[in-house]
Amino acid sequence: EVQLLDSGGGLVQPGGSLRLSCAASGFTFSLYAMSWVRQAPGKGLQWVSGISATGGSTYYADSVKGRFTISRDNSKNTLYLQMSSLRAEDTAVYFCAKDHSTRLGDYFDSWGQGTLVTVSS
Amino acid sequence: QSVLTQPPSVSAAPGQKVTISCSGSSSNIGNNYVSWYQQLPGTAPKLLIYDNDERPSGIPDRFSGSKSGTSATLGITGLQTGDEADYYCGTWDYSLSAVVFGGGTKLTVL
Repeated sequence: EVQLLDSGGGLVQPGGSLRLSCAASGFTFSLYAMSWVRQAPGKGLQWVSGISATGGSTYYADSVKGRFTISRDNSKNTLYLQMSSLRAEDTAVYFCAKDHSTRLGDYFDSWGQGTLVTVSS
Repeated sequence: QSVLTQPPSVSAAPGQKVTISCSGSSSNIGNNYVSWYQQLPGTAPKLLIYDNDERPSGIPDRFSGSKSGTSATLGITGLQTGDEADYYCGTWDYSLSAVVFGGGTKLTVL
């Protein structure tokens, strides 16, 4: 059974940094692209960033480009999102999501439970 | 403002049928497969339809998907109160090099 366990969320001040993690199990992690998708309170889904299976290709939404960095450690079956220069508008539940293929852009067949990031002073 | 356009809400009575539309452009829906996700209140999204019209195992055939040109449609028949949820369409956008979602549609089963 595929399991994605998101962690690392919390309260951070504007301008601060936070690193999210997504521990994967139940599938061969190194064969699939992964993404982070967020959902602000009461709002819809917003794709944040994605990474190919090998980690060789990364993609970002314009709203986070230059501030967030996605990475993965295939030896640890873990996906990361390093977030810096955080803003109030980054407040959201962040979900990690497994793509169906090695490349990004297929569809997400499994999702983590989400971790809440709150940016506030 | 979402790249893909969905109606904010739809409603129908139990047992009835409802459709949810998702409109895009040639840079996304027009040249890629569409997927649909169901998000029950307080939970993570769940894959409902992939590759325009395919259902993952475990998804009942009351749920169906279709695509024509730059638009896609999710259909739900035999509505149940348990179907009340938010529904999102998604696809890849070649111009943005990004995954894009619709704004979501809240389904109410009256």
